[in-house]
Amino acid sequence: RKEVEQDPGPFNVPEGATVAFNCTYSNSASQSFFWYRQDCRKEPKLLMSVYSSGNEDGRFTAQLNRASQYISLLIRDSKLSDSATYLCVVKSGGYNKLIFGAGTRLAVHP
Amino acid sequence: NAGVTQTPKFRVLKTGQSMTLLCAQDMNHEYMYWYRQDPGMGLRLIHYSVGEGTTAKGEVPDGYNVSRLKKQNFLLGLESAAPSQTSVYFCATGRGASEQFFGPGTRLTVL
Repeated sequence: RKEVEQDPGPFNVPEGATVAFNCTYSNSASQSFFWYRQDCRKEPKLLMSVYSSGNEDGRFTAQLNRASQYISLLIRDSKLSDSATYLCVVKSGGYNKLIFGAGTRLAVHP
Repeated sequence: NAGVTQTPKFRVLKTGQSMTLLCAQDMNHEYMYWYRQDPGMGLRLIHYSVGEGTTAKGEVPDGYNVSRLKKQNFLLGLESAAPSQTSVYFCATGRGASEQFFGPGTRLTVL
């Protein structure tokens, strides 16, 4: 079983739609949680951290449910520029080691 | 201010050849990492370093060696390349806080 699991998608949505991704993690001792964004043939970049109380950054909202060990990302009012792969990332263990999910691909169309 | 750079960007090797991938950073970060990314697998940690002169194994270290002789450089070596090492290799740096900053990647094909 993978430590971090995501639905690979693709999620095909029209501009302006709301879309949500979920991710589950297996290590209950995981300490920190993140969403990274990766554009095609580019490097991953941090989108946002995920806090226990939930947090929002513009059109993006992240939620963490420690009891059920899942993380979610909600994107409102989707833009064409949101098309990318979204990586769920969990920090487990020391030395800032991150465990990456395989990613969920989002395609926003006109 | 280049951030994190990787050399080369692309490489094709024959089975059994060796090569070294170079990662350089000007962010003064202590921690450096080498990952590989394969379709459907997510990024997997090969080796990492928590400071100059130190290295440690990650999740998939077999077939790779690393060195961190200078704080700003982290080298990944393949002594005898195998087709299973065909992948995209990313270097990343961090400061012990949570965000990692990635280089642009090296696309390696082993025939």
